[in-house]
Amino acid sequence: EIVLTQSPGTLSLSPGERATLSCRASQSVSSSYLAWYQQTPGQAPRLLVSGASTRATGIPDRFSGSGSGTDFTLTISRLEPEDFAVYCCQQYGSSPFTFGPGTRVDLK
Amino acid sequence: QVQLQQWGAGLLKPSETLSLTCTVYGGSFSGYYWSWIRQPPGKGLEWIGEINHGGSTDYNPSLKSRVTMSVDTSKNQFSLRLSSVTAADTAVYFCARGDIVLVSPAPLRFGMDVWGQGTTVTVSS
Repeated sequence: EIVLTQSPGTLSLSPGERATLSCRASQSVSSSYLAWYQQTPGQAPRLLVSGASTRATGIPDRFSGSGSGTDFTLTISRLEPEDFAVYCCQQYGSSPFTFGPGTRVDLK
Repeated sequence: QVQLQQWGAGLLKPSETLSLTCTVYGGSFSGYYWSWIRQPPGKGLEWIGEINHGGSTDYNPSLKSRVTMSVDTSKNQFSLRLSSVTAADTAVYFCARGDIVLVSPAPLRFGMDVWGQGTTVTVSS
């Protein structure tokens, strides 16, 4: 089973700032099948990025994903008020598909 | 616009069987993978497994002995059954759609782009 580790656990930032979130896998993620999700309290996760770098339909271009192998990054170029949430990564290249524990982006 | 509507019992006693169903509205049922994911209170997401429209399944080994997934293509529905539940199975359960594109030489998969609203399941005596 691939274990995903996310850092930092919490990121305290202000609107307009840049957020850089890291996801590290315990082994290489097949075909860069790495997704990022955004989750707000009481809501289902929202897909942001698939395939490490492909934005999902309707996702603003301030969200970008990068990386391959075992190291992946989600960057939010300029935080908007609605971006303060929990972000988790998921690998879907090797079964069982696994999620990272999440990074909370909160208001500084 | 595709929507997933899920339902099922929210309160179970230990040893009972959890049963949830998810209906797909406004879109095709075939050509996708249909997953179940859960989230214990205050914790992260756990993938339970997936099924395709043909009924092929892939389960998380940690739950495999207790999980059964099925599809009813005539109703655009897929279902989850989890037997012998304990308090550790208390969680919000989500259904979700996983996109896949059939290309050569191997299918191209994407993340889970449509989710149900979630069902809170509590296991308590």
